[in-house]
Amino acid sequence: DAGVTQSPTHLIKTRGQQVTLRCSPKSGHDTVSWYQQALGQGPQFIFQYYEEEERQRGNFPDRFSGHQFPNYSSELNVNALLLGDSALYLCASSLAQGVGETQYFGPGTRLLVL
Amino acid sequence: GNSVTQMEGPVTLSEEAFLTINCTYTATGYPSLFWYVQYPGEGLQLLLKATKADDKGSNKGFEATYRKETTSFHLEKGSVQVSDSAVYFCALPTGTSYGKLTFGQGTILTVHP
Repeated sequence: DAGVTQSPTHLIKTRGQQVTLRCSPKSGHDTVSWYQQALGQGPQFIFQYYEEEERQRGNFPDRFSGHQFPNYSSELNVNALLLGDSALYLCASSLAQGVGETQYFGPGTRLLVL
Repeated sequence: GNSVTQMEGPVTLSEEAFLTINCTYTATGYPSLFWYVQYPGEGLQLLLKATKADDKGSNKGFEATYRKETTSFHLEKGSVQVSDSAVYFCALPTGTSYGKLTFGQGTILTVHP
């Protein structure tokens, strides 16, 4: 049973560029959440997708956007990159069954903005 | 909103020592509580969870008990190994919908032979 997969594993961009990160959820999961983890910090919730719609959002600017496809996979897009966007971006999948439903995380995409 | 506070780290231990990492929470009601582990250069892995008060979660020799009286979910292991060296995060659900987790700041554990 494949777990959560993310691509690419590493990415280097320059300020002002745009980036797209991809996530495939664990088999059978229908909900995808994205988190940003800055160096030395805990993950911060960006947003969550369910039934191809953004269901809830954390405290991130509109430069961060996403999409969920019919097969439940998801993309995270970040426009007008800033140096401060350098971080590990984690995707997590779950079933939309309850607030306490376990989140399963992928290995992450490490983004460096120069 | 719900929040968690983890003990300040890092924690350095010798192999076979006893481990405790403190986690306290503030929450409305009794949400599930989680411990996640992050090994160097990797994503997060669920270590254990407890879904209601007085529950004990356990996995790989680690244990944590959901204590509503002290609003705590401390992580313990009786005998740590070098392979346990990682960052440990306490987390709980927040928000009005499903699956939004709030994490503690993380505790770095280093175990020496």
